Amino acid sequence: DTGVSQNPRHKITKRGQNVTFRCDPISEHNRLYWYRQTLGQGPEFLTYFQNEAQLEKSRLLSDRFSAERPKGSFSTLEIQRTEQGDSAMYLCASSSPRGQGDEKLFFGSGTQLSVL
Amino acid sequence: TQLLEQSPQFLSIQEGENLTVYCNSSSVFSSLQWYRQEPGEGPVLLVTVVTGGEVKKLKRLTFQFGDARKDSSLHITAAQPGDTGLYLCAGDSNYQLIWGAGTKLIIKP
Repeated sequence: DTGVSQNPRHKITKRGQNVTFRCDPISEHNRLYWYRQTLGQGPEFLTYFQNEAQLEKSRLLSDRFSAERPKGSFSTLEIQRTEQGDSAMYLCASSSPRGQGDEKLFFGSGTQLSVL
Repeated sequence: TQLLEQSPQFLSIQEGENLTVYCNSSSVFSSLQWYRQEPGEGPVLLVTVVTGGEVKKLKRLTFQFGDARKDSSLHITAAQPGDTGLYLCAGDSNYQLIWGAGTKLIIKP
């Protein structure tokens, strides 16, 4: 396994357009997370899946954001009607914790979104 | 609201110097993790500390978890330019990670 893979690495779009990002987690990992990160900040939690179930979504997340993990493997994150404030690095991570205190995340290289 | 505060926010030192960065909270965590992130890449896990008072060493990096499991420190001995990066701590609370904003470390040759 080559780790967590994210596509595309970079995306430039015009304000108002829709964008979709893909994440392929480590194959045996049952948890998948989406984070957003801006320059000089730590990752900001967006949502996470346990297998195909979306268990939590940030209350700060706009309705323009939606994520899916249809078969419990890869995931997509869609942003509709993009705004300039959506410009950020979008990170995907996967994990397979064995118990409490064992949540170790493996991150992809991220998708850098620029909204013009 | 659980918060993790990291200090300093930014640190620039010469190669060969020692340094310590901190991760503090008023909340108790079941474990705490340190990650390093390079520009344009995702964070990479360095270590997980679980037991209060635990000390873990990774070559020139020494990680300590506070006795009360609310804080942690990372000490780097004889820093090298390859140590440059954003150091993030994350606390595990009820299967969710709470992230600090990171310490941006630059080691000048």
